[in-house]
Amino acid sequence: DSGVTQTPKHLITATGQRVTLRCSPRSGDLSVYWYQQSLDQGLQFLIQYYNGEERAKGNILERFSAQQFPDLHSELNLSSLELGDSALYFCASSVGKQGEQYFGPGTRLTVT
Amino acid sequence: GIQVEQSPPDLILQEGANSTLRCNFSDSVNNLQWFHQNPWGQLINLFYIPSGTKQNGRLSATTVATERYSLLYISSSQTTDSGVYFCAVDSYTGGFKTIFGAGTRLFVKA
Repeated sequence: DSGVTQTPKHLITATGQRVTLRCSPRSGDLSVYWYQQSLDQGLQFLIQYYNGEERAKGNILERFSAQQFPDLHSELNLSSLELGDSALYFCASSVGKQGEQYFGPGTRLTVT
Repeated sequence: GIQVEQSPPDLILQEGANSTLRCNFSDSVNNLQWFHQNPWGQLINLFYIPSGTKQNGRLSATTVATERYSLLYISSSQTTDSGVYFCAVDSYTGGFKTIFGAGTRLFVKA
């Protein structure tokens, strides 16, 4: 157990809908990272937050947004969902702005 | 941007065999990690190894940052070692991001 929690574990929804994925980092970690793992794209970095502020942006679509709250948990919002958004979404956390990352168990999203 | 290449892409071993997985990266990196993704999808930290050599039981890793590669050694493989092994590097080119290789898929036969 990495100490990073993610909810829900599984999510099935329809095209056009909006969902929110939640992540709680390890105790003491200030950074949260979001990743998407799909069969054709592999593991892709989406976005990083550090202590409540956006720090880095990767291949995140405009339909996706994230935030980190004062208690350091983070949410990833996915809207106007398409079939191609079906993937495993991971969050990770680290103590500082960079360094060793610990991954949560992931949320498997299926868009039908 | 930085490229991360892992080899081999697939590997089948008999239980008890040893193996070496390689990760090449095209530019200087600050951090490098090795992960094991088990058949249930969980990503498990193996090593945080920007440079040097580390060992943990049957696994060890070496990163030669100046030559832009890292190696993961698995000795006396077990069926529970099956899964996908990823290396991931942090790049600051064009802004910070963590880049994963495509992985090495390992199957250990009993």
